[in-house]
Amino acid sequence: GEDVEQSLFLSVREGDSSVINCTYTDSSSTYLYWYKQEPGAGLQLLTYIFSNMDMKQDQRLTVLLNKKDKHLSLRIADTQTGDSAIYFCAENPGGYNKLIFGAGTRLAVHP
Amino acid sequence: ETGVTQSPTHLIKTRGQQVTLRCSSQSGHNTVSWYQQALGQGPQFIFQYYREEENGRGNFPPRFSGLQFPNYSSELNVNALELDDSALYLCASSGGGVAAGANEQFFGPGTRLTVL
Repeated sequence: GEDVEQSLFLSVREGDSSVINCTYTDSSSTYLYWYKQEPGAGLQLLTYIFSNMDMKQDQRLTVLLNKKDKHLSLRIADTQTGDSAIYFCAENPGGYNKLIFGAGTRLAVHP
Repeated sequence: ETGVTQSPTHLIKTRGQQVTLRCSSQSGHNTVSWYQQALGQGPQFIFQYYREEENGRGNFPPRFSGLQFPNYSSELNVNALELDDSALYLCASSGGGVAAGANEQFFGPGTRLTVL
């Protein structure tokens, strides 16, 4: 089946690291993605990881993939107030075509 | 800015009416996907168009239909609107249709549809 699950809410202090977790079900997904959505806006592609990789780092962002457990995480280092948004994890079953999104994790950053 | 534009920004319709939403894809992209995002939920895939042909469809009834034009812009049409159709409709463009690399999809700002 196709299902992506995320925790709904995360609160962190400014300057700390944030870790957003996601589990997915379709092992045929070739890529896994993280998108960011700010209030009233569309989705911004943050990063993605190929399913044969364990880790990808992109500036303050680190993606970890545990393919055996179908678990994906996004770590944001030195979290800033501008990082406050909803973060969506997505898979692409069959390797192309549609994206299956989780319900999103709302990240709140406080001083 | 992704270069993907959508119109209109907001729309209010009543039950039973029909609506057309429009999307212009990013320059060089030949694939457009449409998603419905209900309040508090993640986007759900409606369908995708690649070079003017439907290239996959999600679990949406036939009253949701689409078109893609030779310039790769696209329309989403919804007939016989229902209250549950109230949502943010997002279009995303990508560069290669079937299995093109990472299939990165770049989203527009969305059209907020309210059905009364």
